[in-house]
Amino acid sequence: SQKIEQNSEALNIQEGKTATLTCNYTNYSPAYLQWYRQDPGRGPVFLLLIRENEKEKRKERLKVTFDTTLKQSLFHITASQPADSATYLCARPNTGNQFYFGTGTSLTVIP
Amino acid sequence: GAVVSQHPSRVICKSGTSVKIECRSLDFQATTMFWYRQFPKQSLMLMATSNEGSKATYEQGVEKDKFLINHASLTLSTLTVTSAHPEDSSFYICSVERNTEAFFGQGTRLTVV
Repeated sequence: SQKIEQNSEALNIQEGKTATLTCNYTNYSPAYLQWYRQDPGRGPVFLLLIRENEKEKRKERLKVTFDTTLKQSLFHITASQPADSATYLCARPNTGNQFYFGTGTSLTVIP
Repeated sequence: GAVVSQHPSRVICKSGTSVKIECRSLDFQATTMFWYRQFPKQSLMLMATSNEGSKATYEQGVEKDKFLINHASLTLSTLTVTSAHPEDSSFYICSVERNTEAFFGQGTRLTVV
């Protein structure tokens, strides 16, 4: 079965620093990976999608990489702010037009 | 994108009663909707795929007689938790997918007492 793992359950960083979250997958490389943000008691919100043939993608202070050799995606938030505190989920496409989500990493940015 | 509205946002019910959760796709006709359950500090677990005009497809381990899904129109899917028990207390979220992106409802916090 296709697995997706986010190694860190929780990450605390100082405001202004760069947060780096990791997502690892098993077996074959998916056509793309996605990253979502989830705030407590809310549904996830889509942030970025990176395709298999893309090494890196950026959106404002966010950067995502896709390394098919390491079977890993990294999610970076530069110049982090307390408002960035949330749980971040990575996801890969699954069979039947579904997505399979990782367990998420809870990020806390300390002022 | 797509706008998904889920109702109610939270509900408390007595053990043994049934609860209905609605998921509406407001600006997109969705032939398929997805229902997830999320326990505290855990990821989204897909429960079932709701198919417009046909039976839902349930994931392994999900009781179809307990979690009734109806997808009668292209904009509405409902999840009914029948004979709810305290262990059914969880966060239920629906989603639609469009152009390789998932759009989620606000979620429903169900508490069974």
